[in-house]
Amino acid sequence: ETGVTQSPTHLIKTRGQQVTLRCSSQSGHNTVSWYQQALGQGPQFIFQYYREEENGRGNFPPRFSGLQFPNYSSELNVNALELDDSALYLCASSLTTGGTNEKLFFGSGTQLSVL
Amino acid sequence: AQTVTQSQPEMSVQEAETVTLSCTYDTSESDYYLFWYKQPPSRQMILVIRQEAYKQQNATENRFSVNFQKAAKSFSLKISDSQLGDAAMYFCAYRRIQGAQKLVFGQGTRLTINP
Repeated sequence: ETGVTQSPTHLIKTRGQQVTLRCSSQSGHNTVSWYQQALGQGPQFIFQYYREEENGRGNFPPRFSGLQFPNYSSELNVNALELDDSALYLCASSLTTGGTNEKLFFGSGTQLSVL
Repeated sequence: AQTVTQSQPEMSVQEAETVTLSCTYDTSESDYYLFWYKQPPSRQMILVIRQEAYKQQNATENRFSVNFQKAAKSFSLKISDSQLGDAAMYFCAYRRIQGAQKLVFGQGTRLTINP
């Protein structure tokens, strides 16, 4: 079991609302990435943060935004929720040291349902 | 853009037998990483095995091994001596060497182990 924790585990929201998902990285990790996994699909990359700056983004609209804090915990914010935002949201952390061989550690995800 | 395809939505195998999961990918890069991840009902993505494209030797991890065919862009996973605990969704994933740690996942294969 990894040290990446996500909260809440489950969440139900209404279309048009806003939601914040949280991720606590494994101790010592400075990089966090977020993925969206729709039912029956593989995860899709949303974005990545390194030392509090976004340094990579997938094909998601601006209403998906994030933050990484000095303690390297992270938030994923989604505004104006749509029904298609219903999915499992996975957080993954790693230690970036300038090399390219970093191993990702995933959390167990937040299951978001939009009604 | 890179793509990963898993053509087997479901596979089943008898306990103690061997099973092979298929994966193909498309990329114009010459150096990259390939991965197999396991996702049990706990939803956490667990790294099973990793292959660096510049290495000709196929990676192995205990009962798990891969058949990496770079020219054919094929990356299959062989599980030997299947165990009940191997039952899960298996995802093939690709990642560029440089840049953000963006994993591109396939659609997944559900593996069932029959006792």
